[in-house]
Amino acid sequence: EAGVAQSPRYKIIEKRQSVAFWCNPISGHATLYWYQQILGQGPKLLIQFQNNGVVDDSQLPKDRFSAERLKGVDSTLKIQPAKLEDSAVYLCASSLMLMETQYFGPGTRLLVL
Amino acid sequence: QQPVQSPQAVILREGEDAVINCSSSKALYSVHWYRQKHGEAPVFLMILLKGGEQKGHDKISASFNEKKQQSSLYLTASQLSYSGTYFCGTEISPGSARQLTFGSGTQLTVLP
Repeated sequence: EAGVAQSPRYKIIEKRQSVAFWCNPISGHATLYWYQQILGQGPKLLIQFQNNGVVDDSQLPKDRFSAERLKGVDSTLKIQPAKLEDSAVYLCASSLMLMETQYFGPGTRLLVL
Repeated sequence: QQPVQSPQAVILREGEDAVINCSSSKALYSVHWYRQKHGEAPVFLMILLKGGEQKGHDKISASFNEKKQQSSLYLTASQLSYSGTYFCGTEISPGSARQLTFGSGTQLTVLP
């Protein structure tokens, strides 16, 4: 069974630029999560989808971050414009249903200069 | 309401035991444990649901004490492969805003 796929794996941008991350969850998984992990900290939930609907986005900085999950499968997370403090690893995870075992992708490591 | 993990770091020799604690200031509905190796994605270990049950597989087990609002992860006869950072994720309520909040992690190093 293929795992959660993410791309790109690494991205370096300058502040005020835009960036987008892509995630393809495990086939059949209804729930998709985006986490931000800053070095030395635990993952912090940004947004979670159930199929193509948003379940929770209370911790998503909506002035600069946006996410969508079209057709209930793939998802993209965008940052526009990026700030220095956005430097982190962005992890995508999926689970069969909400709050069941989460399977994480390899993450995208973002560096904002 | 981030859970507090202790200790922050622990170093042990192969074959020794370790306990990692995860405490919450709010009543817990479930606790999820993950291990993350350097530069890799977190990997699921186990979920404990409200009810105080203890779970385990191989030499890694966990308990969930509702009254104390905490969970403990037990690693017995540690192997080199157990090295990594352990995170607990807590779910406060089974209501509408179901989400996991992860602690800051416990870095475990197992030496030969």
